[in-house]
Amino acid sequence: GQQLNQSPQSMFIQEGEDVSMNCTSSSIFNTWLWYKQDPGEGPVLLIALYKAGELTSNGRLTAQFGITRKDSFLNISASIPSDVGIYFCAGVFEFGNEKLTFGTGTRLTIIP
Amino acid sequence: KAGVTQTPRYLIKTRGQQVTLSCSPISGHRSVSWYQQTPGQGLQFLFEYFSETQRNKGNFPGRFSGRQFSNSRSEMNVSTLELGDSALYLCASSFTGYGYTFGSGTRLTVV
Repeated sequence: GQQLNQSPQSMFIQEGEDVSMNCTSSSIFNTWLWYKQDPGEGPVLLIALYKAGELTSNGRLTAQFGITRKDSFLNISASIPSDVGIYFCAGVFEFGNEKLTFGTGTRLTIIP
Repeated sequence: KAGVTQTPRYLIKTRGQQVTLSCSPISGHRSVSWYQQTPGQGLQFLFEYFSETQRNKGNFPGRFSGRQFSNSRSEMNVSTLELGDSALYLCASSFTGYGYTFGSGTRLTVV
């Protein structure tokens, strides 16, 4: 099945560092979502983006909907231990076609 | 407000058997979707139900089926289980159509 290209695949950072990850697609999407998944749990929605060019923040998290509608970016500022996990982007093509196409995931590890 | 509830959390089945997984969405949510998560294929869309009707279907064989009840609860069934069906099966519900809330999943192991 289709997966969106997400990079980097993994990140090893120190507490307090900023993190950036991105997601690209060969197709356009009209909605971009960012999720975080902890081991043994389902993904939890972090940020939803509904308009090309939109920049949205949720605490230390900031995400942007690319103007081409084929990409999205997520930044985490001043990382803390609870940020550890796998981050997924997901695209939705159209309202009424409720299928999420997920990215390949970015695994974030914080080095003590 | 209760979240999305999936039962059971863990399941071990033998090849050739069938299995039924259950999902109770958030109260008021009428859209329920199912996803399969494996290390190799990642998160893949199975199907989506809205008001007891299947609206979308992913690229999975006919052994995978589902249904939704009038109270929006949903079940998915996998018949003639194969080893490759071992995965985390996730259910998600939505009210507006976006920003799906996921359950904790059912971990299915086929031996």
